[in-house]
Amino acid sequence: KAGVTQTPRYLIKTRGQQVTLSCSPISGHRSVSWYQQTPGQGLQFLFEYFSETQRNKGNFPGRFSGRQFSNSRSEMNVSTLELGDSALYLCASRRNGWWDTQYFGPGTRLTVL
Amino acid sequence: SQQGEEDPQALSIQEGENATMNCSYKTSINNLQWYRQNSGRGLVHLILIRSNEREKHSGRLRVTLDTSKKSSSLLITASRAADTASYFCATDAVLTQGGSEKLVFGKGTKLTVNP
Repeated sequence: KAGVTQTPRYLIKTRGQQVTLSCSPISGHRSVSWYQQTPGQGLQFLFEYFSETQRNKGNFPGRFSGRQFSNSRSEMNVSTLELGDSALYLCASRRNGWWDTQYFGPGTRLTVL
Repeated sequence: SQQGEEDPQALSIQEGENATMNCSYKTSINNLQWYRQNSGRGLVHLILIRSNEREKHSGRLRVTLDTSKKSSSLLITASRAADTASYFCATDAVLTQGGSEKLVFGKGTKLTVNP
């Protein structure tokens, strides 16, 4: 069974630009969550989507948004990039809810110059 | 906010030794999970232990959970150089309406296993 895949793996952008990251969950998994990992703040929850609806949201500004498609694939968008947005963005999927194991993808390394 | 806190922050041992990492958290949980992360890469799920379980084994891994102390430990026996990685515990909050939806991670323990 294929794992969680994320594209692209690496991305370099400049301040003010916007970026879209993509995540394909494990087949059969309906929940997709996004996390940001930085050396200073560690792993922080961004949001979770389930059946195309945002089910939970972390404490990030509105520049961070996401969506989920009918095939459970998810995208995350960051607008008006800031230097502090440089991070490893991790996507995770699970079958349904909290009782299921959450599996992570390899991440997208975003560098903002 | 609720957060898992791993201890120690860094651990260096020799191959063949056992490694023990601890995690403490603040509020009631449904599950506690341990993950491994090799430098700058994705998280690999190691083990999930539910709040009504006290101990779980998987290969060379042993996880304990003490909900009265709000703590968990991860023991890696007979460590190998390939175990060198950062280890995170992740907890989920019990919502008032039941269930939970997000994982809250600690800062991690950086384990180095010297050959």
